[in-house]
Amino acid sequence: DAGVTQTPRHEVAEKGQTIILKCEPVSGHNDLFWYRQTKIQGLELLSYFRSKSLMEDGGAFKDRFKAEMLNSSFSTLKIQPTEPKDSAVYLCASSPDRYEQYFGPGTRLTVL
Amino acid sequence: AQSVTQPDARVTVSEGASLQLRCKYSYSATPYLFWYVQYPRQGLQMLLKYYSGDPVVQGVNGFEAEFSKSDSSFHLRKASVHWSDSAVYFCAVSANGNVLYFGSGTKLTVEP
Repeated sequence: DAGVTQTPRHEVAEKGQTIILKCEPVSGHNDLFWYRQTKIQGLELLSYFRSKSLMEDGGAFKDRFKAEMLNSSFSTLKIQPTEPKDSAVYLCASSPDRYEQYFGPGTRLTVL
Repeated sequence: AQSVTQPDARVTVSEGASLQLRCKYSYSATPYLFWYVQYPRQGLQMLLKYYSGDPVVQGVNGFEAEFSKSDSSFHLRKASVHWSDSAVYFCAVSANGNVLYFGSGTKLTVEP
């Protein structure tokens, strides 16, 4: 079975740009998660979807971060506008039951 | 509210030595408990999980963890580490059907 796919693996953006990160979950998984990972803050939950419905949207990230699940096999995370403090690794994970999460390799975002 | 603490940010051991990585959780009832590992430039992978029953659970690659209700702990152990075990290890907890909360991680370095 294919694992979680994330594209692109690396993204460089100028401050103020809009960027879209993509994720394809494991086929058949009902839950999808977006996390941000930094050395200082660790893993922070951005969004959680269950069967395409948004269950949690990570409060502090609401204003410039928007995750969508267009269908059961594809999700996007839009950051608009980007700021240098958004530089981080963005991880997507899917799960059959919300607990056993299967992670993608991540997208490393650098905002200049 | 639930939380998880990994008191050791970095641990260094010699190859062949035994290992214990500590994890403490905060929750009144018994939560679901996990250990994940992250190798460089990769996403997280689940090592093992505890839901109920035998407090010692076995995972992949010779890892095991022991749940202690009295101590609110879920420490990870390995009898003999290999250089390839060098990675960052995350403890995670879920309680009352909520999403996973990850600890801050412990970076393990195995010296030859």
